[in-house]
Amino acid sequence: GENVEQHPSTLSVQEGDSAVIKCTYSDSASNYFPWYKQELGKRPQLIIDIRSNVGEKKDQRIAVTLNKTAKHFSLHITETQPEDSAVYFCAASENDYKLSFGAGTTVTVRA
Amino acid sequence: DAMVIQNPRYQVTQFGKPVTLSCSQTLNHNVMYWYQQKSSQAPKLLFHYYDKDFNNEADTPDNFQSRRPNTSFCFLDIRSPGLGDAAMYLCATSRVGQYGYTFGSGTRLTVV
Repeated sequence: GENVEQHPSTLSVQEGDSAVIKCTYSDSASNYFPWYKQELGKRPQLIIDIRSNVGEKKDQRIAVTLNKTAKHFSLHITETQPEDSAVYFCAASENDYKLSFGAGTTVTVRA
Repeated sequence: DAMVIQNPRYQVTQFGKPVTLSCSQTLNHNVMYWYQQKSSQAPKLLFHYYDKDFNNEADTPDNFQSRRPNTSFCFLDIRSPGLGDAAMYLCATSRVGQYGYTFGSGTRLTVV
């Protein structure tokens, strides 16, 4: 099965700085890579996703990059704000089926 | 926009007393998943239904069962909850061919 590794496990950044979270996956057949944000006590919310036919996708302050050859993908958050503080999970799957999640990154944005 | 609804939000059960968690969806998604999430950990897939077909993960304990009586509803039954089963239980849905999961708000289970 798919194995997704995520780093770092915790990340503290100054407000306004950038945050980068990296994930690697094991199954070369995986072709869908979503990122979820989970605030304390709430459900995971999809914030951005990328399919294997593109290398980069951007949505305002959030971007995701994918390197299929190296089997890794990254989340980039620019101009961080206190409301970006949360746990972020990467995931991977073949098609849209049975997501395998990374272990999560706790992001703290310091004011 | 509560399209995947889990009830109850909080459930307290006694050690060894059977408990059922429910999930309903209005999205007409054909796949429904149950995940267990313990504090500060990634969601762990317990099982899923692909239409009516039940798929158990290899490491899901026998103590956990599931039912899907129709497209809209899915239940998680814990036959004899132990203290280690205290967790957030997340239901999610997806439609094959349309990328993305929709999660419910979760049920936080406490075992006393």
